[in-house]
Amino acid sequence: DAGVIQSPRHEVTEMGQEVTLRCKPISGHDYLFWYRQTMMRGLELLIYFNNNVPIDDSGMPEDRFSAKMPNASFSTLKIQPSEPRDSAVYFCASSLAAGGAGGYTFGSGTRLTVV
Amino acid sequence: KQEVTQIPAALSVPEGENLVLNCSFTDSAIYNLQWFRQDPGKGLTSLLLIQSSQREQTSGRLNASLDKSSGRSTLYIAASQPGDSATYLCAAYLETSGSRLTFGEGTQLTVNP
Repeated sequence: DAGVIQSPRHEVTEMGQEVTLRCKPISGHDYLFWYRQTMMRGLELLIYFNNNVPIDDSGMPEDRFSAKMPNASFSTLKIQPSEPRDSAVYFCASSLAAGGAGGYTFGSGTRLTVV
Repeated sequence: KQEVTQIPAALSVPEGENLVLNCSFTDSAIYNLQWFRQDPGKGLTSLLLIQSSQREQTSGRLNASLDKSSGRSTLYIAASQPGDSATYLCAAYLETSGSRLTFGEGTQLTVNP
């Protein structure tokens, strides 16, 4: 398996623009997670899905953030409109089952810079 | 809110030393605990996963232990090498949080040649 695949690896955009981050989880993993990492706040869970259904989006910072999982092999995290404070590394991770059975596998992340 | 803490925040050692990284959590109702490594500008690489029924896991020069009663986990690195330099993160799966991981803030390790 190629692991969790994220795209793009780097994204530079201007304030106010829409940004879409993409993730392909490991095949067969029922759980998908979106995290954000910054120096100030460390790793923050934004939202997670189980079997394509959003379970907990309490970590989504504002209405400007939205996430979808239209099928088991694809998820998007969208920011509209983007702001400089959204600059961070965004990670996607997937897990086989509840309770972290088998552990999490992380993607390589998308480094977002909003100027 | 569950808290996972890691001590020390940073550690610098000469090559060849054995070292221990510490992780503590305030809730003993833990499913599993996972140790990750993160290199600068890179993603998280899973090192070891300890299931709640286990007390330790070993992989090469790495050994991780879990003591649920005391709320502690340790990551032992034997014969450290410069290539071990990275940030090490522990993360706990809590019974109250289902599949959510709670991360510590990490220990930044530097192994000097």
